[in-house]
Amino acid sequence: GAVVSQHPSRVICKSGTSVKIECRSLDFQATTMFWYRQFPKQSLMLMATSNEGSKATYEQGVEKDKFLINHASLTLSTLTVTSAHPEDSSFYICSALGRDETQYFGPGTRLLVL
Amino acid sequence: AQSVTQLGSHVSVSEGALVLLRCNYSSSVPPYLFWYVQYPNQGLQLLLKYTSAATLVKGINGFEAEFKKSETSFHLTKPSAHMSDAAEYFCAVSDTGTASKLTFGTGTRLQVTL
Repeated sequence: GAVVSQHPSRVICKSGTSVKIECRSLDFQATTMFWYRQFPKQSLMLMATSNEGSKATYEQGVEKDKFLINHASLTLSTLTVTSAHPEDSSFYICSALGRDETQYFGPGTRLLVL
Repeated sequence: AQSVTQLGSHVSVSEGALVLLRCNYSSSVPPYLFWYVQYPNQGLQLLLKYTSAATLVKGINGFEAEFKKSETSFHLTKPSAHMSDAAEYFCAVSDTGTASKLTFGTGTRLQVTL
């Protein structure tokens, strides 16, 4: 149980385009999901907390207009990187909060912006 | 605010030897503590967690950790390392009483040699 999926696992896009990443909790409902960014050989940086049916809460320094988060259902949250630039290239990981108050992580999405 | 310090960004052990990965935390309230493992190009997998029950916590793959309040530590151990244990290990803390917001350490890369 407590499986979280992400799609796509890898995406390459041109500078200026937008990219959508999906995060799904497959066997449980999650009112809260989280989005992280991880740079090579570094730890995870929390970008935002996504709550079903309400606006996401962004961490300081994260541009909410650039990283659009939508949590439309109890099993799906999406992160859209708008007008992507090479500096947005990174590994994006989502997690979903289980009923046992544990975050379960997706496998991550590697974004490369050319 | 909570914080996590992982001493040693890189630990190398021989196969069959004891694994000890160090984690110290600071929190203004009783913490929840977690150890996650990350294999290359993958998301994070929960190894074990402490949520104010037994101070010695057993996790998956033979790992365990002991919560020591007096030392503000939550070190991860495994009696006998296996080659498959080679990965990045992250300690994380939440002091909100839930896993609503995790603060991660910088990670420790475990190398297992023959």
